[in-house]
Amino acid sequence: GESVGLHLPTLSVQEGDNSIINCAYSNSASDYFIWYKQESGKGPQFIIDIRSNMDKRQGQRVTVLLNKTVKHLSLQIAATQPGDSAVYFCAVAGYSTLTFGKGTMLLVSP
Amino acid sequence: NAGVTQTPKFQVLKTGQSMTLQCAQDMNHNSMYWYRQDPGMGLRLIYYSASEGTTDKGEVPNGYNVSRLNKREFSLRLESAAPSQTSVYFCASSSMDGNYGYTFGSGTRLTVV
Repeated sequence: GESVGLHLPTLSVQEGDNSIINCAYSNSASDYFIWYKQESGKGPQFIIDIRSNMDKRQGQRVTVLLNKTVKHLSLQIAATQPGDSAVYFCAVAGYSTLTFGKGTMLLVSP
Repeated sequence: NAGVTQTPKFQVLKTGQSMTLQCAQDMNHNSMYWYRQDPGMGLRLIYYSASEGTTDKGEVPNGYNVSRLNKREFSLRLESAAPSQTSVYFCASSSMDGNYGYTFGSGTRLTVV
């Protein structure tokens, strides 16, 4: 089955910096990827997704990059704000379900 | 507001007791899921229902049962709770067999003593 890993359990940044959160997946046939944000005490919230026919997709202050050659995706957050403090998960679509990584906690200090 | 509603939000059980976690969605989604979240373990799939009338095991189904009552509702039952089932449980739904973003509920924090 699919396995999904993240490189860093915690990332600390200063307010205004750009943040980059990474994720690696195992199945080269995977074709749909999602990033979620989970604030303390809440359920995960959809941030942005990307399909394997793209290598970059942009949203509001967020960009997802997909490198299928090395099976790696990243989430970039521009001008990180205190409200961005949360746990970020990548998820990879399988046949009927998503497989989630263990998450990276983003800590933003003023 | 449209979304996924879970009840209860908090529950404390004694070992051996049973309970049912309720989940309902009002987005007309076909697929529904139950995950548990433990520190350092991420989200692990317990059971899912790809469509009304079907259920399938996920990664960690032991000790749980599910019922897809109708298109809106998907319940998770613990027949004999164990301390290892202390966790935060999330229900989610999606429009098409998991290939689209899930919408999550706000979770049920369960403690088994």
